[in-house]
Amino acid sequence: EAGVVQSPRYKIIEKKQPVAFWCNPISGHNTLYWYLQNLGQGPELLIRYENEEAVDDSQLPKDRFSAERLKGVDSTLKIQPAELGDSAVYLCASSPSGLAGRGEQFFGPGTRLTVL
Amino acid sequence: SQELEQSPQSLIVQEGKNLTINCTSSKTLYGLYWYKQKYGEGLIFLMMLQKGGEEKSHEKITAKLDEKKQQSSLHITASQPSHAGIYLCGAVTNAGKSTFGDGTTLTVKP
Repeated sequence: EAGVVQSPRYKIIEKKQPVAFWCNPISGHNTLYWYLQNLGQGPELLIRYENEEAVDDSQLPKDRFSAERLKGVDSTLKIQPAELGDSAVYLCASSPSGLAGRGEQFFGPGTRLTVL
Repeated sequence: SQELEQSPQSLIVQEGKNLTINCTSSKTLYGLYWYKQKYGEGLIFLMMLQKGGEEKSHEKITAKLDEKKQQSSLHITASQPSHAGIYLCGAVTNAGKSTFGDGTTLTVKP
């Protein structure tokens, strides 16, 4: 069974440029998460989807970040424009639906973003 | 995360030694889970604890949940170099949010 796929693995951009990350979750997993992880810290939830609905986006900086999961499968996270402080690892995870499922999340390898 | 405090922040042990990592929540726990992360990779699920007093094992790793103390401990017996990595505790809060501790970095010296 394929795991969570993320691309690109690494991205280097200059500040004020746009950037997009893509995630394909495990087949059948209705819940999809985007996390931001800074060095030496745990992941911080940006947005959680149940199918195509964003059910928790309270931590998403909406002035520059956007996300979509149009068909309830793969998802894209975008930053426009990127700032120096956005340099971090962006993790995507998926899980079966429901509270119990939320405990066991399957993570992708992440996209390491460097903003110069 | 300030909701989940992990200790110690880092740990260096000699191969074969036992060790314990703690995770304390500032809020009521509705389940606590442990993950392992290697540098540059995603998190790998280890186990989930849902009931007070619950104890689970995964190979040589055992985790316990003390619901009254809002605390969980992860214990590794006879550590091996393969145990090295970052151990993170996570929880789902009563608001339904997924939150993680900042991790404990474990180094195992051969």
